[in-house]
Amino acid sequence: NAGVTQTPKFQVLKTGQSMTLQCAQDMNHNSMYWYRQDPGMGLRLIYYSASEGTTDKGEVPNGYNVSRLNKREFSLRLESAAPSQTSVYFCASSELGVWATEAFFGQGTRLTVV
Amino acid sequence: KQEVTQIPAALSVPEGENLVLNCSFTDSAIYNLQWFRQDPGKGLTSLLLIQSSQREQTSGRLNASLDKSSGRSTLYIAASQPGDSATYLCATDYQAGTALIFGKGTTLSVSS
Repeated sequence: NAGVTQTPKFQVLKTGQSMTLQCAQDMNHNSMYWYRQDPGMGLRLIYYSASEGTTDKGEVPNGYNVSRLNKREFSLRLESAAPSQTSVYFCASSELGVWATEAFFGQGTRLTVV
Repeated sequence: KQEVTQIPAALSVPEGENLVLNCSFTDSAIYNLQWFRQDPGKGLTSLLLIQSSQREQTSGRLNASLDKSSGRSTLYIAASQPGDSATYLCATDYQAGTALIFGKGTTLSVSS
């Protein structure tokens, strides 16, 4: 059972470069999310997608864009990377609302911007 | 805006102790609350989910309770073991029925 798969696991970028973080889930969940985790700041919500075809901003969306490609895949794009975007990025999926299910997380992408 | 706070930030206990981790949130209009465990360098693993109509959930030595009216949840760990050493995070609705927003976690160390 794969669960939530993120690629790549590690990445080093130069300031100003762009990249896309990929995320796929095989649990048929409607909702998917992107978080970043920084020391002392905890996990912060970047963007989420409540269902296929919809996306919404979270706490820290500036500098990021997302695409919900289909029900399985939710990608996060950094158009012009900055050192402040050095972080560990996690993708997750679940169901929301009254029928919420437990959230499943990927293993994370460690991104360094130099 | 929902805010989630976890106290204490760190906790060290000897093996065998029973312990309580606390979580508080500012907006009581939530649909669910979840507790997670994170080991160093790893992703998060869900421990317990308390859905909107429930007040507590139990799994093995873990018991989580939820009081929406007071904006509080507690995670009770019975007979702690060194393998319980990890960071424990609670999370609830960012806005009612939406994505989860997390507290900063409690880092637990259980010594043998």
